[in-house]
Parts: sequence; structure tokens; C-alpha cells
Amino acid sequence: AQSVAQPEDQVNVAEGNPLTVKCTYSVSGNPYLFWYVQYPNRGLQFLLKYITGDNLVKGSYGFEAEFNKSQTSFHLKKPSALVSDSALYFCAVRDGSSNTGKLIFGQGTTLQVKP
Amino acid sequence: ETGVTQTPRHLVMGMTNKKSLKCEQHLGHNAMYWYKQSAKKPLELMFVYNFKEQTENNSVPSRFSPECPNSSHLFLHLHTLQPEDSALYLCASSPLKSERGITDTQYFGPGTRLTVL
Repeated sequence: AQSVAQPEDQVNVAEGNPLTVKCTYSVSGNPYLFWYVQYPNRGLQFLLKYITGDNLVKGSYGFEAEFNKSQTSFHLKKPSALVSDSALYFCAVRDGSSNTGKLIFGQGTTLQVKP
Repeated sequence: ETGVTQTPRHLVMGMTNKKSLKCEQHLGHNAMYWYKQSAKKPLELMFVYNFKEQTENNSVPSRFSPECPNSSHLFLHLHTLQPEDSALYLCASSPLKSERGITDTQYFGPGTRLTVL
């Protein structure tokens, strides 16, 4: 069965510092991995995805994520955090061998960037 | 976000009311989804439609009834809801890459905030 874990409910970072939001996954086939961000009273916005290829994936707003197969992780990173990055972040996984588009989401991590 | 629209954005209804949520996507996608987002819970997939056919019902109570008249529109009909059904209901769409049903990135609408009194 597919599952996603985001071990931190909240991450606090000072503006200008690097940030990491953690995600680990479990899937039987090849993982398709996604990060989404949700601002208050908004839907989810797609940030980036890993399907195949380079383990380091670059996405929107300066975010990147590193796929680590041995650790089954897909942590979201940004070299220098902005206050405007404060939001709720979701990691999601899909089994690449599945015929459906079913995504399994983590419970979300709230990122707080303080000035 | 503007590629997927949802109406209404907010809805308050009593337990005996009947209402409908509407989702429209302008992205040319062929797969559409309903999700429920409750406080303190992960997003829960409710229904999946591929080419207007329902391919997944994630054990959703019958008081939620989806309808997909074409690949661009998705409805969620609500009747005799319970207060615990209060949540943010999100619609998403994605391209359907092949006849095998392999789908790509899902794009979400802004959601409908539903309150059941």
C-alpha cells in the first residue's frame, strides 16, 4: 500500500536561512512524487515533481527537492527562505505502475518563516 | 489555479438541504477528482473520473453524489449531510496520457468551504 509521511507538523525558519521540509514515502512500484503548497483559503498549487531522471528536481519559486531512493525520501528545500513562503506544504506519491491517477498525500507541514 | 474554477467558494447548509458544488476546468484535461480536506487530516480522495467515467469511489457515503457530464465539468450533489461533513472540498484535474490511464500532475481549484449546521 502507498503511504506518505511528513514527520513535522510545523517548521520554523528565519528569513534568509535555508529551509527543509521532510517527506518519506512507501510505494510498491516506481514512485511518482509531488510537492504542493497551500496558502490560506486557497487550493493546492503544484510546486514540483519527480518522475524519473535527475534526483535533484527544481520547481517553482526557487524550491527544489531531492529524491533519495535508498532512504525513500523526497525532502523539499530552498536555499534562502522568504516570509511569503509561509504556507502549508503537502508531499504526495503515486505508484508509477498504477493505472489510476490516485495520489496519496501526507498530512501537511506548516512552514513559518519569521522576519 | 485559474485553470480550475469552483463555485460556490463558500456554502452554509442545513442537514436537510440539497445543494451542489460545481467544478470546471479549462485545461483540456480528461481526468477529474473530488477531494475532502478537513482540519487536522490529510487530503482524502473521494472520487475519480476518467473520460467522464467514474473509476474510483473511495468508500464515500451515498449522501455525496458525483456527476461528470463531460470532461470539463464535475459536480458534487449533496443531500442530508452531517455536521462532520463540514470541510474544504477541492476539485482537481489532470491530463490522461494514455488509454492505460496513466495520469500526470493534478491541478487544483480554490475549493468550496462547506459548513453544515
